[in-house]
Amino acid sequence: AQSVTQLGSHVSVSEGALVLLRCNYSSSVPPYLFWYVQYPNQGLQLLLKYTSAATLVKGINGFEAEFKKSETSFHLTKPSAHMSDAAEYFCAVSDREGSQGNLIFGKGTKLSVKP
Amino acid sequence: NAGVTQTPKFRILKIGQSMTLQCTQDMNHNYMYWYRQDPGMGLKLIYYSVGAGITDKGEVPNGYNVSRSTTEDFPLRLELAAPSQTSVYFCASSSGGEQYFGPGTRLTVT
Repeated sequence: AQSVTQLGSHVSVSEGALVLLRCNYSSSVPPYLFWYVQYPNQGLQLLLKYTSAATLVKGINGFEAEFKKSETSFHLTKPSAHMSDAAEYFCAVSDREGSQGNLIFGKGTKLSVKP
Repeated sequence: NAGVTQTPKFRILKIGQSMTLQCTQDMNHNYMYWYRQDPGMGLKLIYYSVGAGITDKGEVPNGYNVSRSTTEDFPLRLELAAPSQTSVYFCASSSGGEQYFGPGTRLTVT
């Protein structure tokens, strides 16, 4: 069965510092992987997705993630944090091969950005 | 293009009451989903639908019912509300792959 583990329920960085949010997955089929962001009192918004094309995926707002099959990881990074990046971030994996699966979500990582 | 809309935004129910959470999408997506979000637990899938007339259970379906009579609408029914159903509920839709989420309904059962 597919699963996602997000390491660290809270991450705090200073403005301008590197953002690194960790996601490890378990999948019995070639995975489709996603990162979503949730701002306070809002729904989830797609940041980026991996669907078996390029292993380095660029998303919105300067975020990117690298798919590493050998490490079963899909960590999210941003070179320089901005105050507006403060939000909760969710990693998700599709529960079956291809685009028709349901998403299995991690428990989320709340990112705080200090001025 | 409104995307996915949900009503109501907030609701307080007494134990044993029933209610329907409404969800509508205007993107002609075949797939629709209901999730609940509890603090520190991520999102759990309640029910999903792959098209009008077709629904299936997700990870946490107990206490809920759904129907899908049209492509656009996917209401979630709570028949006998319990405190354990206090949560934030999100509806989402998809044409396959990425999902588009509504703004959520915050439900409190007391």
